[in-house]
Amino acid sequence: EDQVTQSPEALRLQEGESSSLNCSYTVSGLRGLFWYRQDPGKGPEFLFTLYSAGEEKEKERLKATLTKKESFLHITAPKPEDSATYLCAVQGTGGGADGLTFGKGTHLIIQP
Amino acid sequence: NAGVTQTPKFQVLKTGQSMTLQCAQDMNHEYMSWYRQDPGMGLRLIHYSVGAGITDQGEVPNGYNVSRSTTEDFPLRLLSAAPSQTSVYFCASSSTGVLHSPLHFGNGTRLTVT
Repeated sequence: EDQVTQSPEALRLQEGESSSLNCSYTVSGLRGLFWYRQDPGKGPEFLFTLYSAGEEKEKERLKATLTKKESFLHITAPKPEDSATYLCAVQGTGGGADGLTFGKGTHLIIQP
Repeated sequence: NAGVTQTPKFQVLKTGQSMTLQCAQDMNHEYMSWYRQDPGMGLRLIHYSVGAGITDQGEVPNGYNVSRSTTEDFPLRLLSAAPSQTSVYFCASSSTGVLHSPLHFGNGTRLTVT
């Protein structure tokens, strides 16, 4: 059974204060790791897909990295509009349903 | 661009009542799915479909039915609502499946069962 654990559960930063969110995962074989952003009252919005260890993806102030056991979402010089819940998800090779296994998310607050 | 549209946004049911949550997408996506989101838990897959006429069970399918008669629509039916089904339900679609094309989510239906 695929498992995803995200830490911390919540993080409060000052505007401009860089940090990282962690996603550790357990899968029989990783097909893909995904990052989504969710704003209050909205559905998740896709950010990145990573397929293999060593891969990195960037978008504006966000950079996602992947190792064989975990992924990090690095946020550089964040702005208040980066406040959201960030979700990590995986799809493994273990068969079964064609869907994603999600973590509980990290609730990020950026204070001006 | 409507994307994925879910109706209703809010619903209150009594235990034992039935209802259908509607989901429609206008992106001609083959893959559609339903997730539920509960406090303190990650999103969990209920049912999914890889194309019209094809559906399959996810992680938590009990108490829910789906059908896919058209590419655009993927309704979720609660046959006899229970308090344990109180949740926020999200419909999501992608062009070819979850691995190589991003999931596009609707804005959810918040369901309360009393």
